[in-house]
Amino acid sequence: EPEVTQTPSHQVTQMGQEVILRCVPISNHLYFYWYRQILGQKVEFLVSFYNNEISEKSEIFDDQFSVERPDGSNFTLKIRSTKLEDSAMYFCASSDPSDRPNTEAFFGQGTRLTVV
Amino acid sequence: AQKVTQAQTEISVVEKEDVTLDCVYETRDTTYYLFWYKQPPSGELVFLIRRNSFDEQNEISGRYSWNFQKSTSSFNFTITASQVVDSAVYFCALSDLNTGNQFYFGTGTSLTVIP
Repeated sequence: EPEVTQTPSHQVTQMGQEVILRCVPISNHLYFYWYRQILGQKVEFLVSFYNNEISEKSEIFDDQFSVERPDGSNFTLKIRSTKLEDSAMYFCASSDPSDRPNTEAFFGQGTRLTVV
Repeated sequence: AQKVTQAQTEISVVEKEDVTLDCVYETRDTTYYLFWYKQPPSGELVFLIRRNSFDEQNEISGRYSWNFQKSTSSFNFTITASQVVDSAVYFCALSDLNTGNQFYFGTGTSLTVIP
C-alpha cells in the first residue's frame, strides 16, 4: 500500500540552526502539505503546495519557513533559524486532486523536532 | 470560519465498555468532509474514516461506528467493547472545498482503556 514517508523520525537541533525535514509523498499525488503538532495540542495546518508553488499557508508559516520540491519525489520543509517553540511533531501529507470529491490526505508518520 | 470542537479532553473506560467520542463542527460550505484519526502513543496519525456532507448514513466497521447528524453538526464516534489497544488520542477533522484540502483538526480526545 502506498504511503507517505518522512525522514528523520526524530531530529534534535540547537536553537538558531537551520533544519530541513524531508518527505516523500505518494507518487501520483499532486497536493502536498505540512502540519505541525506541538506536544499535547492539536494538529495545525502550516502550508499546502500545488503545481510547484504554495497554494495556502497559515499565519504560523512565517518567513522562517519555506517549502520546496527539489525533485520529482521529495517535498521539504525548511526552518531557517529554529526557536525553542518550533519543537513539535511535523506531519507531511499528500492528496490526489483527481480523488475529489472524496478528498483524503494521507499523512506520514511524522518527524519529531526538538530544539534545544 | 471552519472549526472543530471536541469537548471531551480525556476519557477513561474499563475494558469492554462502550465509549462515544463527540465531535461538533462548523462550516459555511455545503460540501465538506469529516474525518476521524487515531494517534497512538507512537505519534503517527492513523486514518479511521471519511464522510462527505451528502452522506448521512451511519457507518459501522467492526467495533467502530460513526453517527453523522447534519442537523446538529455532529460526527460522533463510538467504540463498542473497548480494548486496551484502543487507548490513543482521537482527532476529528474537517475539510471543505473552500479551503482546498486543508484539514481543520479538533483538539483531540485522549482515550484510556483500563484493563
